[in-house]
Amino acid sequence: AQTVTQSQPEMSVQEAETVTLSCTYDTSESDYYLFWYKQPPSRQMILVIRQEAYKQQNATENRFSVNFQKAAKSFSLKISDSQLGDAAMYFCAYMEETSGSRLTFGEGTQLTVNP
Amino acid sequence: NAGVTQTPKFRVLKTGQSMTLLCAQDMNHEYMYWYRQDPGMGLRLIHYSVGEGTTAKGEVPDGYNVSRLKKQNFLLGLESAAPSQTSVYFCASSLETGWGGGNQPQHFGDGTRLSIL
Repeated sequence: AQTVTQSQPEMSVQEAETVTLSCTYDTSESDYYLFWYKQPPSRQMILVIRQEAYKQQNATENRFSVNFQKAAKSFSLKISDSQLGDAAMYFCAYMEETSGSRLTFGEGTQLTVNP
Repeated sequence: NAGVTQTPKFRVLKTGQSMTLLCAQDMNHEYMYWYRQDPGMGLRLIHYSVGEGTTAKGEVPDGYNVSRLKKQNFLLGLESAAPSQTSVYFCASSLETGWGGGNQPQHFGDGTRLSIL
């Protein structure tokens, strides 16, 4: 079974600075997808960014970017110019290219943004 | 466009009681999922469905049943609630995926907080 590990239960960053959240995963598949979801105190699950494993180019979405290292099975999220609204729980998730497209989530990283 | 709607948002049950959580989506999505979220853990898949009339077990299916009689609805049932089922439950849906199209993200409801005493 695939596993996703987020080794940082908590992280903090100063407003306007940059922070990187780590994620590693274990799979024997060559084709899959990776996601970062944000969960603010409102409990909503909000998609932040996605990456296809067959693409070498790292995904970016405005202030959010990833460092995807397929051989190392690593998928970190970088948040630049951190804002107070970025404070949330962040989940890394893995999806196989199989029937059902099920997600496997990591344990989450609680990000605090200090003013 | 409501997206994914979960009913109810909060519920308190006594051990042994039964209840059904309803998930409704208006995006014509083929796939639907039920997850539970416990403190210190990520979301874990309970059951899922790849189409009307189909269901399948996820990572933690014991103690739960599901039904997908209509494409837009996915019901999660607890026949005899146990304190270990105290959790926040999330429903999600996504488009059908095929080869090369597997990056369809899942859209989540706002969750149901369920407490079992």
